[in-house]
Amino acid sequence: QVQLQQSGPGLVKPSQTLSLTCAISGDSVSSNSAAWNWIRQSPSRGLEWLGRTYYRSKWYNDYAVSVKSRITINPDTSKNQFSLQLNSVTPEDTAVYYCARGGSWPLAPWGQGTLVTVSS
Amino acid sequence: DIVMTQSPDSLAVSLGERATINCKSSQSVLYSSNNKNYFAWYQQKPGQPPKVLIYWASTRESGVPDRFSGSGSGTDFTLTISSLQAEDVAVYYCQQYYSTPYTFGQGTKLEIK
Repeated sequence: QVQLQQSGPGLVKPSQTLSLTCAISGDSVSSNSAAWNWIRQSPSRGLEWLGRTYYRSKWYNDYAVSVKSRITINPDTSKNQFSLQLNSVTPEDTAVYYCARGGSWPLAPWGQGTLVTVSS
Repeated sequence: DIVMTQSPDSLAVSLGERATINCKSSQSVLYSSNNKNYFAWYQQKPGQPPKVLIYWASTRESGVPDRFSGSGSGTDFTLTISSLQAEDVAVYYCQQYYSTPYTFGQGTKLEIK
């Protein structure tokens, strides 16, 4: 079955870049039906979808307006994984970050989650 | 953006009793070309990611007990737990996957009375 394994640092300094990776097993990042998403969860913002990358003959990205100027989601076909980069972070970006598979179906499965704290 | 509003915010139900959670979307999530509601319910327990229970508004995910059921269409949806078990204590979320940005309800915390 499909499994997602997240990795990346749990502490990021303000104004720096948050970087997380989600390794996929049991599916391909280049799938023509799946989409690969990042979501975050915090007490103040609840569950917030951040964006996705997907392949339909070429690569596409969708991003939430709230982070559009700061976010990049990239596929890595050589390692069958995808990544999240969020620039210029502030303490408001402190949250548990999740990756998840989607497409024309609900978000499943999810990665295990990574608590990222933005603090000096 | 499609706004998802759940009610109630919290709910306490006795073991063996019925629990009902509602979710309303600010616009229809029914896709007319295939007559499917792009709507799901998730269960989240502490320290775990959300887990999908119900999708297409009323289809149970494999392995989910049949005491969980979903109903509704268009903009109004309901999750029913027919006979509450201790392991059902969790936060429940609704979500639309009709269009991006995907959006979630604020969550309903379900406890034992």
